Amino acid sequence: EDQVTQSPEALRLQEGESSSLNCSYTVSGLRGLFWYRQDPGKGPEFLFTLYSAGEEKEKERLKATLTKKESFLHITAPKPEDSATYLCAVGASGANSKLTFGKGITLSVRP
Amino acid sequence: KAGVTQTPRYLIKTRGQQVTLSCSPISGHRSVSWYQQTPGQGLQFLFEYFSETQRNKGNFPGRFSGRQFSNSRSEMNVSTLELGDSALYLCASSITGLAGSETQYFGPGTRLLVL
Repeated sequence: EDQVTQSPEALRLQEGESSSLNCSYTVSGLRGLFWYRQDPGKGPEFLFTLYSAGEEKEKERLKATLTKKESFLHITAPKPEDSATYLCAVGASGANSKLTFGKGITLSVRP
Repeated sequence: KAGVTQTPRYLIKTRGQQVTLSCSPISGHRSVSWYQQTPGQGLQFLFEYFSETQRNKGNFPGRFSGRQFSNSRSEMNVSTLELGDSALYLCASSITGLAGSETQYFGPGTRLLVL
């Protein structure tokens, strides 16, 4: 069975204090690893898709990386508006659109 | 391009009732997936529809069902509601949904409260 574990569950940072969010996964035949951001009361907002180990993608203060067992979401010099829950999900071969999600990491950035 | 839309946004029902939720995917997207999100379990896959056919199903009881129309719009139905069905129900769409590698885009969700 596919599994995704995210750590830590919650993270509090000072504005400008860089950090990384971890996503460990076990999946038979990884086809894609997805990062989403979710604000309270809203649906997940797509951030990145990674397909193979060694791949990296960047968007503003966020950078996502992928290895064969885990993915990291690096946040550089975060701002209060980066406060949200960050979700990691995997798509597996043969699963079509079924994504397996982690429980999410709630990030709080203090000014 | 308009995003995924879901109606209604909020619902309050009582135990034993049934409910129907609606989802309109992004134009051109033919795959629609449904997820249940609760604080304890996180996001869990319910089922996926493509070309009016259920292509994949998660581990939920038969009280949860869905369908898709020829214009790719989808509905999900929950019969005989239980307190534990209170959750945020999310719909996601993608172009074909094949191979597990295609990005899915989520709607704002329907918040269901069962009393």
